[in-house]
Amino acid sequence: GAGVSQSPSNKVTEKGKDVELRCDPISGHTALYWYRQSLGQGLEFLIYFQGNSAPDKSGLPSDRFSAERTGGSVSTLTIQRTQQEDSAVYLCASSLDWGGYNEQFFGPGTRLTVL
Amino acid sequence: AQKITQTQPGMFVQEKEAVTLDCTYDTSDQSYGLFWYKQPSSGEMIFLIYQGSYDEQNATEGRYSLNFQKARKSANLVISASQLGDSAMYFCAMRGTGGFKTIFGAGTRLFVKA
Repeated sequence: GAGVSQSPSNKVTEKGKDVELRCDPISGHTALYWYRQSLGQGLEFLIYFQGNSAPDKSGLPSDRFSAERTGGSVSTLTIQRTQQEDSAVYLCASSLDWGGYNEQFFGPGTRLTVL
Repeated sequence: AQKITQTQPGMFVQEKEAVTLDCTYDTSDQSYGLFWYKQPSSGEMIFLIYQGSYDEQNATEGRYSLNFQKARKSANLVISASQLGDSAMYFCAMRGTGGFKTIFGAGTRLFVKA
């Protein structure tokens, strides 16, 4: 079956512009995560969606970052007024969250470069 | 606060030998899950193995096993019979019971030599 997909795969933008990154989770997965991975670094948690519950936004680095998930499926991560330090790979993951064991399936990521 | 520590930025292993990648964690949760992921140069994140904090047996998945020592708060990954394709970044991660936020370590880059 189809895995997690993300678009675009690469995005180059100018400082100050807004960008939208898209994630299509695996069908039926109720949980969706966004992470950021800077060059040579580990994953930094950004935000988590679970079903119709309020998202866990505790990892968003600033109010320039926001995310939504429509219809419990597709999610969009928006970065407003991009800065050079926003350059990173943004990874999306989904999982069947039924507590305990919680394997996350990752998408291929979007590489964002802010010039 | 939860924290994952991977102290080995890089490791070398000879093909066909076993290697242990270290992971220590810190949490005040009584129930939590520990994960290992592999990230090849292609960038994809591949799930390897999971250990629940209440699991009495160490987890094993093929050539991967997790050496779980709860009292020491360590969850080391052991790869037996290393293969050239095992060369990659390896991340240790933890999820507690306070939510579904998953914390990742900084990773260990493994190089398998022929």
